[in-house]
Amino acid sequence: EVQLVESGGGLVQPGGSLRLSCAGAGFSFDRYYMSWVRQAPGKGLEWVANIHRDGTQNYNVDFVRGRFTISRDDTENSLYLQMDNLRVEDTAVYYCAREGAYGYSPVFDYWGQGALVTVSS
Amino acid sequence: EIVLTQSPGTLSLSPGARATLSCRASESVSSTYLAWYQHKPGQAPRLLFYGASNRAAGIPDRFSGSGSGSGTDFILTISRLEPEDCAVYYCQHYDNPLWTFGPGTKVEIK
Repeated sequence: EVQLVESGGGLVQPGGSLRLSCAGAGFSFDRYYMSWVRQAPGKGLEWVANIHRDGTQNYNVDFVRGRFTISRDDTENSLYLQMDNLRVEDTAVYYCAREGAYGYSPVFDYWGQGALVTVSS
Repeated sequence: EIVLTQSPGTLSLSPGARATLSCRASESVSSTYLAWYQHKPGQAPRLLFYGASNRAAGIPDRFSGSGSGSGTDFILTISRLEPEDCAVYYCQHYDNPLWTFGPGTKVEIK
């Protein structure tokens, strides 16, 4: 059974840092692209970043602006999101998601339960 | 940058009714890269459709997706609404290497 479990969420002050982790199980982690998606309170889903199997990273430039870094450790079947210079508007539930491919259609086929990040003074 | 617009924002219908949810792209996109998700409070989002109209595993056939080839308008239909269908539904587009979600349609059961 595919499982994704996030950890590392919590309360942090504006300008602070936090590192989220996502542990994968039940699949060959190193064969998949992985993403982070967030949902702010009362808002919709928003893609944050992804990382390819070869380590190539892509970010949502609308708000990341060099503050977040996505990484992975395939030996640990883990995905990470280092978040620096956090802002109040970064408050959200952060989900990790596996990028699968169905035919030629890429999708997020498995999601974790999410980690809550609260940025507040 | 492709922008997805979903309508209506909220849909309130009775059990057994038919729900029609719209997703419109700001420019023509390939249906291959259009997906739909269901998201219930406190749960992980769930893949409903890939390639606009291909139902994911375990999705009841009360759910159908339309759209093929390239275009700007895609539809998610839920026939015979059930209380368990209460959720927010998102369309999503993949424009290599970036992903975009629509703002979502909330489905309420009266």
